[in-house]
Amino acid sequence: QQQVKQSPQSLIVQKGGISIINCAYENTAFDYFPWYQQFPGKGPALLIAIRPDVSEKKEGRFTISFNKSAKQFSLHIMDSQPGDSATYFCAASLTGTASKLTFGTGTRLQVTL
Amino acid sequence: GAGVSQSPSNKVTEKGKDVELRCDPISGHTALYWYRQSLGQGLEFLIYFQGNSAPDKSGLPSDRFSAERTGGSVSTLTIQRTQQEDSAVYLCASSPRRNYGYTFGSGTRLTVV
Repeated sequence: QQQVKQSPQSLIVQKGGISIINCAYENTAFDYFPWYQQFPGKGPALLIAIRPDVSEKKEGRFTISFNKSAKQFSLHIMDSQPGDSATYFCAASLTGTASKLTFGTGTRLQVTL
Repeated sequence: GAGVSQSPSNKVTEKGKDVELRCDPISGHTALYWYRQSLGQGLEFLIYFQGNSAPDKSGLPSDRFSAERTGGSVSTLTIQRTQQEDSAVYLCASSPRRNYGYTFGSGTRLTVV
């Protein structure tokens, strides 16, 4: 009930291409869905987040698409750059209770020249 | 400080020894979290502190793990009688209030030999 499933495990995209990472959740009570970016040797950093009252949120080259009925959300990175090469984690949590996040298992993105 | 500070950054310990990991959250952040990241895995919730409320310890994997937060600021995660399966990166995060974006530290890489 608390799982968040993330795919793909790894992704190689050419510079300028679109990177797409998908997540699916089971607990319909989840109402906060952030994405984190992690570089080697560093802690994860909040990239962008969405709540289920909207279907899409865009910040620069990063967009979250949210499908409440399918219990899925995805991260799109437009015009991918080599500097975007990192591990990306989706997560979900409940508000109104302890805000511990349930994380996906991560996607290692490599953007090639 | 400017960010979440964790010490030590690396710790190698012998099986059976006790270890203490320290976290200094961002000043003024009332919520503090500990997560564990095993190689190639997502982040596993351990414990959550919010202000003066009783901590949420539901993620601690065994009674060998404990944590405290003194004065609403610094936190220490203690692992007693370490086992090889405790080897992981232990990440601390803080947020200014519940249900708000986390700021993670760079973690403590624990290796039990």
